[in-house]
Amino acid sequence: EAGVAQSPRYKIIEKRQSVAFWCNPISGHATLYWYQQILGQGPKLLIQFQNNGVVDDSQLPKDRFSAERLKGVDSTLKIQPAKLEDSAVYLCASSGPQGGTEAFFGQGTRLTVV
Amino acid sequence: AQSVTQLGSHVSVSEGALVLLRCNYSSSVPPYLFWYVQYPNQGLQLLLKYTTGATLVKGINGFEAEFKKSETSFHLTKPSAHMSDAAEYFCAVRTYTGGFKTIFGAGTRLFVKA
Repeated sequence: EAGVAQSPRYKIIEKRQSVAFWCNPISGHATLYWYQQILGQGPKLLIQFQNNGVVDDSQLPKDRFSAERLKGVDSTLKIQPAKLEDSAVYLCASSGPQGGTEAFFGQGTRLTVV
Repeated sequence: AQSVTQLGSHVSVSEGALVLLRCNYSSSVPPYLFWYVQYPNQGLQLLLKYTTGATLVKGINGFEAEFKKSETSFHLTKPSAHMSDAAEYFCAVRTYTGGFKTIFGAGTRLFVKA
């Protein structure tokens, strides 16, 4: 079974530039998550999709972050404009519909804003 | 609201010694509990999970954890540490509040001394 795919693995941009990350979840997984992991901290949920609908985006900085999951499969997370404090690893995860199903994670995208 | 507290951001043990990583949670409904491990520049990998049934759960690489409802704890243990266990460990709680949501603790970095 193929895992969660993310690209790119690494990205370096200047502040005020824009950047986009892509995620392809495990086939058949209805739930998709984007987490932000700042160095030395645990993953923080940014947004959660159930199919192509947003379940929770309460911690997404909506003035600069946006995410979409068209057709309920792939997802993109965008930051525009980026700030220095956005430097982090952005993890995508997916899970099945049942409560006891764990989230499966991609390898993440490491973003450095300079 | 649910939350996860991991006691000790860093734990150091000698090779062959007992590993104990502490996790306490709060949840308004019966939770599903998970432990994940993260190696450098990698995504999170599931070690073990508790959903229902037996409160002592066994995972990969010789790790196990016990769900104690009265103490709201889910501590991770391994009888004998190996150098390859050095990594970051995250406890997570998955509950249902309008949708299944997984919340992570801040993580505990395990160091293993030769």
